[in-house]
Amino acid sequence: NAGVTQTPKFQVLKTGQSMTLQCAQDMNHNSMYWYRQDPGMGLRLIYYSASEGTTDKGEVPNGYNVSRLNKREFSLRLESAAPSQTSVYFCASSEDGSFNEKLFFGSGTQLSVL
Amino acid sequence: GQSLEQPSEVTAVEGAIVQINCTYQTSGFYGLSWYQQHDGGAPTFLSYNGLDGLEETGRFSSFLSRSDSYGYLLLQELQMKDSASYFCAVRPNPSGGYQKVTFGTGTKLQVIP
Repeated sequence: NAGVTQTPKFQVLKTGQSMTLQCAQDMNHNSMYWYRQDPGMGLRLIYYSASEGTTDKGEVPNGYNVSRLNKREFSLRLESAAPSQTSVYFCASSEDGSFNEKLFFGSGTQLSVL
Repeated sequence: GQSLEQPSEVTAVEGAIVQINCTYQTSGFYGLSWYQQHDGGAPTFLSYNGLDGLEETGRFSSFLSRSDSYGYLLLQELQMKDSASYFCAVRPNPSGGYQKVTFGTGTKLQVIP
């Protein structure tokens, strides 16, 4: 099993450009998440999806949109990138109802907005 | 909302024991988890406490006291490879946005020879 796969691994954008970060999981998990990680601030939740067809805002949703295309895929879109969105982005998934509720993370996307 | 506080950095000697604390301010939650992240890597799950008390997984143990709003991760027989950042995380109760898993700011552990 590949687990959680994110693409791309690295991306450089100019201010105002748009892009979509892709995420797919092969563990048949219902819940998927997008986090961003900035130095000294830990992981902050951007959006999450509890099931196919549903999405909800997390702690820092402004400037982002998401799409839960199907049970496997959960994409994150930046419509007009800003330097404040320079960060490392992690996608994650979890199996609701599992005894430890653990999150499985992808390898991350390092995004720089110039 | 959830607020989890951790020390920013901890240094410990190889072979020793280290405790990383997590204090939180939240009205209620389902469970407290711990994750490890090496530089440049992704967070990986270490331990989970759904109930108060101690959970042991090999060299790692985690403790939770809901009455004290406090938890900790205990690493024994430290190895150089344990040098990493460690994050506590809480998952709200099902009635309070179950998927809104909140992470602490992380503790960077440096293991020295």
